[in-house]
Amino acid sequence: AQSVTQLGSHVSVSEGALVLLRCNYSSSVPPYLFWYVQYPNQGLQLLLKYTTGATLVKGINGFEAEFKKSETSFHLTKPSAHMSDAAEYFCAVTPTGANSKLTFGKGITLSVRP
Amino acid sequence: DTGVSQDPRHKITKRGQNVTFRCDPISEHNRLYWYRQTLGQGPEFLTYFQNEAQLEKSRLLSDRFSAERPKGSFSTLEIQRTEQGDSAMYLCASSLEGGGAEAFFGQGTRLTVV
Repeated sequence: AQSVTQLGSHVSVSEGALVLLRCNYSSSVPPYLFWYVQYPNQGLQLLLKYTTGATLVKGINGFEAEFKKSETSFHLTKPSAHMSDAAEYFCAVTPTGANSKLTFGKGITLSVRP
Repeated sequence: DTGVSQDPRHKITKRGQNVTFRCDPISEHNRLYWYRQTLGQGPEFLTYFQNEAQLEKSRLLSDRFSAERPKGSFSTLEIQRTEQGDSAMYLCASSLEGGGAEAFFGQGTRLTVV
């Protein structure tokens, strides 16, 4: 069975500071990896994903994540936080292959201080 | 196409009543998923369809829950004899077939059982 761990439930950064949201997964084989963002009263939106190829993936709104197989991690970063980045962020995995059922972590709420 | 739509957005019901939710996926997507999200948790998989066939059901989906996708287009999720523990956000998502395919989420239906 696959699982996703997102340590901590809340991260607070100052505007312009580095954003780092951690994600570790547990899986017998490396899965496909996703980061989703959820703004208040909205559905989940895909930020980025890793399936194959380059391990550093770039997504929307300046976010990027690096797949590190040896560390079973897929941490999300953004060099400079903006007020509009305040939202809840979910890391998720699916098995490789045809089954695309997502297993989510608990999510991290990002706050951005002026 | 305006994306995945869910109806209603909010539902308040008395314990013991039956409720039905509807999801309209993106038209060209043959996969449709239902997830449940409770406060402070990530979405949890309930079930998914490929066209009209229900391919997988979570153990979370008790026999009070039933989902259909009769013509491979829209889907309904029915909860019979609702309990207070059923209070949650019910999310629908759709995707193309294939591993790693992006799932597009609706805004969800928030169910409150009183």
